[in-house]
Amino acid sequence: SQTIHQWPATLVQPVGSPLSLECTVEGTSNPNLYWYRQAAGRGLQLLFYSVGIGQISSEVPQNLSASRPQDRQFILSSKKLLLSDSGFYLCASPGGAQGSGNTIYFGEGSWLTVV
Amino acid sequence: AQTVTQSQPEMSVQEAETVTLSCTYDTSESDYYLFWYKQPPSRQMILVIRQEAYKQQNATENRFSVNFQKAAKSFSLKISDSQLGDAAMYFCAYRSFFNRDDKIIFGKGTRLHILP
Repeated sequence: SQTIHQWPATLVQPVGSPLSLECTVEGTSNPNLYWYRQAAGRGLQLLFYSVGIGQISSEVPQNLSASRPQDRQFILSSKKLLLSDSGFYLCASPGGAQGSGNTIYFGEGSWLTVV
Repeated sequence: AQTVTQSQPEMSVQEAETVTLSCTYDTSESDYYLFWYKQPPSRQMILVIRQEAYKQQNATENRFSVNFQKAAKSFSLKISDSQLGDAAMYFCAYRSFFNRDDKIIFGKGTRLHILP
């Protein structure tokens, strides 16, 4: 099985400040990686996904961006945070080789509060 | 594009009773995975049950079972003998089986309350 690490776990940032959330994966190679956001009491919104180094697909146009500089590293960034960026951010990856993703692994999550 | 719909934002069930959470999805693919995940207040995502679309038999995990209706694109979760620890947000999710450039799509969730 694989393990996903996220950091920081919690952060409070002022409006207009930059953001960097990091996700790293252990126990697999060339995984698909996903960033989700969960606003308070709501569902999981897919923000970005990546099928390989440098390959990023964006689902929701916004002031966030994602990068994948290494095979098992996925970074979520913003140059200027908005109040609406507050939420719980989850990094995820399906387990198994291509075509056998019979589970989805998640990181521990990152709580972001923009003030 | 694939979509997942959970039409019940909240549900309540008496302890020891049975409850069914509904999930419908839309896809043009014939092979895919479906999941139910539980999210307790800790926010940890816990896999409850999964179903491969090519399997006709409904998946079962102890007190949890699904009613998978492929033609109707329905994937409901039944929780039997509900326990206080079952109280959580439940998410239904879809994943493509073969598509390398795939997305994992979640429903908006159903918050389940267990009444003592």
